[in-house]
Amino acid sequence: DAEITQSPRHKITETGRQVTLACHQTWNHNNMFWYRQDLGHGLRLIHYSYGVQDTNKGEVSDGYSVSRSNTEDLPLTLESAASSQTSVYFCASSTLENEQFFGPGTRLTVL
Amino acid sequence: GQNIDQPTEMTATEGAIVQINCTYQTSGFNGLFWYQQHAGEAPTFLSYNVLDGLEEKGRFSSFLSRSKGYSYLLLKELQMKDSASYLCAVMDSGAGSYQLTFGKGTKLSVIP
Repeated sequence: DAEITQSPRHKITETGRQVTLACHQTWNHNNMFWYRQDLGHGLRLIHYSYGVQDTNKGEVSDGYSVSRSNTEDLPLTLESAASSQTSVYFCASSTLENEQFFGPGTRLTVL
Repeated sequence: GQNIDQPTEMTATEGAIVQINCTYQTSGFNGLFWYQQHAGEAPTFLSYNVLDGLEEKGRFSSFLSRSKGYSYLLLKELQMKDSASYLCAVMDSGAGSYQLTFGKGTKLSVIP
């Protein structure tokens, strides 16, 4: 069955370190998205991609980057982790205007 | 930009009916989605409305009025497992845009 996976599921890191969160989907979807979810804010879009080599900034992109070298993967990199980036991160994928399918999430703690 | 409002919390009794409202303001509109999210889990798709009217799917129904910028999710015959957060999300109609903007979610507690 097609699915979308994220790794790691939990991560603790220190301020200033570079961190990469993986997202892999086997739906063969062109569209992929990264969100963060915090109490009081709901889901906020960080970056998104509509296909290979395409990346775009979302609402809260500062301090984050993504790359899309193939259809299946959209890794999210925190260049220099900050405590404000402690959050739950969700990856999602979709085709055109259809519903987005979400991965299980990564809980990141920056100390 | 977009602005999406929904109540923060609601409580309802098992077996009852509950309506969760969502109002939105957007520069372009290409559909409204409802997602369910249980605590500690990922959001899962419930419904999609792009035309005015009611869409029914089992115990869940979703309504849309584009002229009023208004939608609601109706849950019938509430069960304890329906205790979750319900997220309203709007898709923008900008060229090539398939982004969703989410409301902050409504936490529904179903009590016996």
